Amino acid sequence: AQSVTQLDSHVSVSEGTPVLLRCNYSSSYSPSLFWYVQHPNKGLQLLLKYTSAATLVKGINGFEAEFKKSETSFHLTKPSAHMSDAAEYFCVVSDWESSASKIIFGSGTRLSIRP
Amino acid sequence: DTAVSQTPKYLVTQMGNDKSIKCEQNLGHDTMYWYKQDSKKFLKIMFSYNNKELIINETVPNRFSPKSPDKAHLNLHINSLELGDSAVYFCASTQLTSRDGELFFGEGSRLTVL
Repeated sequence: AQSVTQLDSHVSVSEGTPVLLRCNYSSSYSPSLFWYVQHPNKGLQLLLKYTSAATLVKGINGFEAEFKKSETSFHLTKPSAHMSDAAEYFCVVSDWESSASKIIFGSGTRLSIRP
Repeated sequence: DTAVSQTPKYLVTQMGNDKSIKCEQNLGHDTMYWYKQDSKKFLKIMFSYNNKELIINETVPNRFSPKSPDKAHLNLHINSLELGDSAVYFCASTQLTSRDGELFFGEGSRLTVL
């Protein structure tokens, strides 16, 4: 069965400092993994995705994530936070080899940026 | 041209009423979803349709009835609204057969039940 755990419900960093949002997953098969961002009063937008190609994935707005199978992790990072990065971030796991494929969302991490 | 559009964006209604939310996607995708986002931002899948056929029906009260007249539309009808139905409802679509299956979301419909 699939599951995804976002280890922090809220992360606060200063502008210009690195961002780390943590995500661990569980999947019976070879998962696809995604990070989505949700700005206030908006829908979700794809940041980046891993689908069994390169384990280091680069996304939009300077974000990247590394798929580590041994640690079952897919943490999201950014070298230098910007005020516009303040949003809710969702880690998502998808099982594409099962006939009953489902997309499972983590509980979300709220990222706050201090000036 | 909006890829996934939902209407209405805001809906305020009384307990016991019946309401509908409409969703349309112009991406040519085969699969559409309804998600419910509660006040703590937790996203829970409600329904999924693939080519007008129901493929996922999570534990949702039968007061909620999805309808897909064609693969570009997935509407959500809610009967006898309750206070706990207050949430933001998101429609999404994807090409399920693609391994790169990115979800495309609408902007959400905020339902407030008084």
